[in-house]
Formats: sequence, C-alpha cells, structure tokens
Amino acid sequence: GAVVSQHPSRVICKSGTSVKIECRSLDFQATTMFWYRQFPKKSLMLMATSNEGSKATYEQGVEKDKFLINHASLTLSTLTVTSAHPEDSSFYICSARVRGGSQPQHFGDGTRLSIL
Amino acid sequence: KNQVEQSPQSLIILEGKNCTLQCNYTVSPFSNLRWYKQDTGRGPVSLTIMTFSENTKSNGRYTATLDADTKQSSLHITASQLSDSASYICVVSALRGRYGGYNKLIFGAGTRLAVHP
Repeated sequence: GAVVSQHPSRVICKSGTSVKIECRSLDFQATTMFWYRQFPKKSLMLMATSNEGSKATYEQGVEKDKFLINHASLTLSTLTVTSAHPEDSSFYICSARVRGGSQPQHFGDGTRLSIL
Repeated sequence: KNQVEQSPQSLIILEGKNCTLQCNYTVSPFSNLRWYKQDTGRGPVSLTIMTFSENTKSNGRYTATLDADTKQSSLHITASQLSDSASYICVVSALRGRYGGYNKLIFGAGTRLAVHP
C-alpha cells in the first residue's frame, strides 16, 4: 500500500517552455503533498507544501510564480515549472501523506527534468 | 540550527561484508528518525523508523540504532549484496506544532554505498 506515482519520469525540453509534473497517491487520500528538489549527490530540499484545496506554502527562496503548485484533489498535486531555464534542470520528487502530523511521507520515484 | 549530518559521505565494500553508516542530528524537538534507501534515479524508500523510546529496529539485513541522549543513529547492513548499492538517507522529524502544524523532515545528505563483487 501507500504508493505514490509521479509522471513523467523524465522530460527534456527547450528553454522557455513550461513543464508540468504530476504526483498521484494511488491507494490513499493525501491531504498533504510535498515537492522536493534534489541536485546530484545532494539530499532532498523541500520546495513547497501542498494542502488539498488551499494555496501551497513555499519554502524561503523558492519562487511561487516560477514553480506553480496545484492540489486540486486528495489524490493529485501538480508542479508546473514555468518558462524553464537550464538552471531549473534537476531531479524533482514529490511525497504524499495522509492527515496527521506523525503520519509518514511516501515518496514518488521522481522526475528528471533537463532543460536544453 | 536543526541539522542532520551523515558519515561517511561514500563507502565502498565487497559483497558479503558488513558496514555501518552514521547519523548525528541536532533536531529539536525530536519526533522520530527514519532511514531511507534511495536507488539512483528513484525516490527514497523507508527502511526503518524509530521514536524517542526505541533504540534498535531491524528490517531484514538492516538494523538501525538510536541513542536519543547523544542524538546519534546508525544503520548496520549485514551480508551486503550488490543490490544494496544506493544512497542511504537519515531523516529526522521535528515534533508537530513547531513548524506550522505538521512534522517537518530534516534530511541528511546521505551516504553513497557501493557494493562490489
């Protein structure tokens, strides 16, 4: 149980385009989803917390207009990287959690984004 | 400052050997500590979770220890296999209420383990 699916797993696109990444909880309802960014050989860095039906909470230094997050249902959150540039190339990982502060986060398999 | 530090950064061992990875943390107030395994290009997968009152937890060939007094944890891998090659991440959760109502995860940088035949 507790499977989180992320799509696409890899995307390559030209500079200036917008890219949408989906995160789905397949067998549970996720009241909260998290978006992380991971650089090579580094650990995960939290970008934002997404609560179903409300605006996302962004970590300091993360541009909300650059990284648009929508959590429209209890099983789906999307991250849109707008007007992507090469410096946005990274590994993006989502996680999902049911209601409750002590509930574990279940991670997706990540999306490798490469901007040419 | 809440931090999680892991050592070593990387480790190479031969198949069949044992190894121990270290994690020191300064997160407060402490809720729990998890060890994750992250294969290259994949998301992290939880191996063990320990709360304040637990000092050892096993999951197959993985055994985690926790010393809440010294704020140290270790992950011991027994009889290593080639498939154990991955990054192992120590993640400490701060108690609910301190960070806007939900437990915030503090990630270590990970130990990259390579198991060679």
